[in-house]
Amino acid sequence: ETGVTQSPTHLIKTRGQQVTLRCSSQSGHNTVSWYQQALGQGPQFIFQYYREEENGRGNFPPRFSGLQFPNYSSELNVNALELDDSALYLCASSFPGQADYEQYFGPGTRLTVT
Amino acid sequence: AQSVTQPDIHITVSEGASLELRCNYSYGATPYLFWYVQSPGQGLQLLLKYFSGDTLVQGIKGFEAEFKRSQSSFNLRKPSVHWSDAAEYFCAVGANNAGNMLTFGGGTRLMVKP
Repeated sequence: ETGVTQSPTHLIKTRGQQVTLRCSSQSGHNTVSWYQQALGQGPQFIFQYYREEENGRGNFPPRFSGLQFPNYSSELNVNALELDDSALYLCASSFPGQADYEQYFGPGTRLTVT
Repeated sequence: AQSVTQPDIHITVSEGASLELRCNYSYGATPYLFWYVQSPGQGLQLLLKYFSGDTLVQGIKGFEAEFKRSQSSFNLRKPSVHWSDAAEYFCAVGANNAGNMLTFGGGTRLMVKP
């Protein structure tokens, strides 16, 4: 059983550019959540996808968007990057049929916007 | 809206000493509560969780936490800290119908003195 993987590990972008981050869910998990963790802060919920549909969203603007594919891998897209988007982006997979709602987090992608 | 407060940003304890990390939450109904640990450069690992039942929950690595509804608290404890416990600890709350859309606290950084 493979864990949650994310790519790339690190990324540097310029303000105004667009970025795509990728996540491969743990085997058998059909739900993926994305979190943004700014330096020195706790993670903040961005959105969740379940069976390829957005299932919930936190307080993030529309320039943060996502996709989930039939194999349950996922992408986080951020348009018009701002300096404040610099953060560690974490994805987490889970299987809602489990009553314990346990999520498995990936190691994250460190995004730096200059 | 739900929220989590971790009053202690940094805590330093001596190896072998006991540990208590504080967590207070705000949520209108019975929450789903979690403690995660994050080591440098790594993702989040679940230590323990509370959904219902016994208010004292046991987790991995010798950690336990107690849910106190009257105090809106879910403090994490360990009787004897090891140097390898040095990390960032996050308390999180999930809604009872979306336990895997989490609101995290700001974290407590634990340092362990030899």
